[in-house]
Amino acid sequence: GQQVQQSPASLVLQEGENAELQCNFSSTATQLQWFYQSPGGSLVSLLSNPSGTKHTGRLTSTTVTKERRSSLHISSSQTTDSGTYLCAIDMSNYNVLYFGSGTKLTVEP
Amino acid sequence: EAAVTQSPRSKVAVTGGKVTLSCHQTNNHDYMYWYRQDTGHGLRLIHYSYVADSTEKGDIPDGYKASRPSQENFSLILELASLSQTAVYFCASSEGGNTEVFFGKGTRLTVV
Repeated sequence: GQQVQQSPASLVLQEGENAELQCNFSSTATQLQWFYQSPGGSLVSLLSNPSGTKHTGRLTSTTVTKERRSSLHISSSQTTDSGTYLCAIDMSNYNVLYFGSGTKLTVEP
Repeated sequence: EAAVTQSPRSKVAVTGGKVTLSCHQTNNHDYMYWYRQDTGHGLRLIHYSYVADSTEKGDIPDGYKASRPSQENFSLILELASLSQTAVYFCASSEGGNTEVFFGKGTRLTVV
């Protein structure tokens, strides 16, 4: 079944607006990671956040483990933030990741 | 900077033919993974390995074999390529546990 569900599927913002991306998962996760996939397809890890709140630059992730949900907040969006944001969980401690289908973010100038 | 290199970056294969996708990492990581991504979807795990000469099945192993001859190299083999295996394939490496996962740039495979 679907282990990880992300919403919204797509999001269009004007530059400078904030974005809130959601991730819900159906199983207990030992690890939760957010990835950015560029329009060209490259994947980079943004944040690893199995519980609590973490910040890096303009990104803030909050994971509530008991409720099996995580969010990624992007402040003051820029056109270069456009791409797909993927949430992934690990239930094994081997970094065997289960991915959601992603949120496609478009930031317009 | 950690590096995961995939080759080829794109390939067109004939139905029923054999395809080998290669992955090389210079991260000194024990764990390596093969994922596939279909258009508009997330990644799904095909095979992974946590030590040389050993591989493990992921969620969608049918139609794929994997080979880990050394810590640095991990190959994905399609013995009889099929149209349904058209996808983008990503290799990744990590130290395992709650550590960062590093991905290659992907291989776009088209089976015709």
